Amino acid sequence: NAGVTQTPKFQVLKTGQSMTLQCAQDMNHNSMYWYRQDPGMGLRLIYYSASEGTTDKGEVPNGYNVSRLNKREFSLRLESAAPSQTSVYFCASLQTRGGRTDTQYFGPGTRLTVL
Amino acid sequence: AQSVTQPDIHITVSEGASLELRCNYSYGATPYLFWYVQSPGQGLQLLLKYFSGDTLVQGIKGFEAEFKRSQSSFNLRKPSVHWSDAAEYFCAVVFTGRRALTFGSGTRLQVQP
Repeated sequence: NAGVTQTPKFQVLKTGQSMTLQCAQDMNHNSMYWYRQDPGMGLRLIYYSASEGTTDKGEVPNGYNVSRLNKREFSLRLESAAPSQTSVYFCASLQTRGGRTDTQYFGPGTRLTVL
Repeated sequence: AQSVTQPDIHITVSEGASLELRCNYSYGATPYLFWYVQSPGQGLQLLLKYFSGDTLVQGIKGFEAEFKRSQSSFNLRKPSVHWSDAAEYFCAVVFTGRRALTFGSGTRLQVQP
C-alpha cells in the first residue's frame, strides 16, 4: 500500500494564479482532511470530508475549495493564490475501528510558495 | 475554545539523557490523544496514541506517554535520547464529538552529542 500520496511535492506560484493540490489514499478510509502547517502554529485544518460526497469547513477555509472526487481522492484548490497561502500542505485520511475515530495517516506534504 | 498547548517551543538535551515533552489540552471530557513526530522536510509519523484504558501507553522508537486526567495532560517521555530523535514533536487531540485533529504548536528537539 502506498498510503496517502500527494502531488506535487513543491510548487511556486505568482499572486493571483490558481492551482490544485491532489491527494489520494489506498487504505479505503472514509474520511479525508487537508491541513496547512506554518512555523510555530502546528497544523491547522482547512477542510475535511467525512465521507464521499460531503465536505466541511475547518479552522482556516478562506481562499480554498475542495472536491471529494471519489472515495480515494480529495483535492484542494487555490483559485487566486495569495502570499499568505505560502505554507506546507498535508493531506490525511482517517482510519476508524467499529465506527469510532482511530488514527490519521498523513501524506508527505506539498511545499507551496506564493510570490 | 478547544485547544492543545505545548509550552516548550524548543528543547535541547544531551544524547543518552532522559526526555519529557509536555502537552496539555482544554475541555473536560477525555478525548483521543496522539503524539506525532516530524523529521525535517518529512511528513508526520505516529509515535503513539491513547483512547482509553491503561493511562501509560507505549509507542515506537522507545517512546511512552502518560495520560493524567486530573491535569489534562499527555506528556511524552523517553528514558535515553538518541541523536536520531532530533525532530519536531506534535501533540494532537481529537476532542469529543469531532473527527479532526487539533494540534499543538510543536516542540523542536535538538540532541547534543
